[in-house]
Amino acid sequence: QKEVEQNSGPLSVPEGAIASLNCTYSDRVSQSFFWYRQYSGKSPELIMSIYSNGDKEDGRFTAQLNKASQYVSLLIRDSQPSDSATYLCAVHSGGGADGLTFGKGTHLIIQP
Amino acid sequence: ETGVTQSPTHLIKTRGQQVTLRCSSQSGHNTVSWYQQALGQGPQFIFQYYREEENGRGNFPPRFSGLQFPNYSSELNVNALELDDSALYLCASSLSRGLGADTQYFGPGTRLTVL
Repeated sequence: QKEVEQNSGPLSVPEGAIASLNCTYSDRVSQSFFWYRQYSGKSPELIMSIYSNGDKEDGRFTAQLNKASQYVSLLIRDSQPSDSATYLCAVHSGGGADGLTFGKGTHLIIQP
Repeated sequence: ETGVTQSPTHLIKTRGQQVTLRCSSQSGHNTVSWYQQALGQGPQFIFQYYREEENGRGNFPPRFSGLQFPNYSSELNVNALELDDSALYLCASSLSRGLGADTQYFGPGTRLTVL
């Protein structure tokens, strides 16, 4: 059974600070890792994808992957109130016919 | 905007009925996946279609079925609706191969309520 674990929160962060979101996964053969942002009542929106160990930066977002520890994280710098949302971690095994396995999401609140 | 559309936006059905949800994938994306997202949960993989054939399935019973058409559109059919089928149903399209082939782009979803 593939599992993806996230702290459900809520995680409250002051505006302008760094928000740190974490995710662990159980399937060691996982190849691809994604962070999606989901506003209430809306569908998931892709924020970042990461495939190799280390850091990947895109604007205010940095994804970090450690396959040995089966751990993925997302850092959001200079947090804005518009970043308040649920952040979903998703993992793909690399098999052609597999879907994404999602965590339950972390509810992030940026306090003005 | 991902270029993925879904219809209808909202739907109310009663237990035991059948429902069909529709999706139009992003142009050039010939793989479509369907997910069910219950309130407070992450999306759960239902199945995936490639070139009009189901080629992957999650832990969902056979009363969940689908179709994919050559024009990048697809359907999710659910028979004998149960109360627990109430959820947001998401369609996601992706490339079939190559770099980023497993990156999935979601449509806006269909909110299904079963009474």
